[in-house]
Amino acid sequence: LAKTTQPISMDSYEGQEVNITCSHNNIATNDYITWYQQFPSQGPRFIIQGYKTKVTNEVASLFIPADRKSSTLSLPRVSLSDTAVYYCLVVRTDKLIFGTGTRLQVFP
Amino acid sequence: GAVVSQHPSRVICKSGTSVKIECRSLDFQATTMFWYRQFPKQSLMLMATSNEGSKATYEQGVEKDKFLINHASLTLSTLTVTSAHPEDSSFYICSARPGPPNTGELFFGEGSRLTVL
Repeated sequence: LAKTTQPISMDSYEGQEVNITCSHNNIATNDYITWYQQFPSQGPRFIIQGYKTKVTNEVASLFIPADRKSSTLSLPRVSLSDTAVYYCLVVRTDKLIFGTGTRLQVFP
Repeated sequence: GAVVSQHPSRVICKSGTSVKIECRSLDFQATTMFWYRQFPKQSLMLMATSNEGSKATYEQGVEKDKFLINHASLTLSTLTVTSAHPEDSSFYICSARPGPPNTGELFFGEGSRLTVL
């Protein structure tokens, strides 16, 4: 499976847009890109998944360029409750391999 | 939406005892479930794939005799930490998917925090 690289941590303030970029240079044709959110002492929660171009749902947008070697999770107008760890995963099967994740801290 | 539930959410045990953690899919059937462990400030590490009606598949470096997995029904997988030691203290999380593989969302349980004294 393709290895993912994402920033270890990011800081933001309430109301700002946060963009977390993940690189996955060795992504294969059949792989999907999926993002999960995890709060302390809880299991991860699915945020969004995409294959190419742009995907948007009620909580986030996912931007994937044509070469698919990277992806950007965009969180519009973050709030304090968005403080969490965000994991970018390249998914081929149900067996998910988690990288280090990005620890997002949102300040008032 | 689909729910995966774990029990217990927290457990404390003495060194040398065995502890069983349950993972249930509450409103769907899952032929495959996955078990992860997570140490503080670290990412999730996949331990094994639990297969209904057959033996679990363990990841490299995970002791199958130490972490016994049983998937006796389509809605229940159990992880038993045998002869637990303090270094087994961790956050254990399971996941499952409703529907065929590689379709839709994988759901994770709330996690079970094991503390071995």
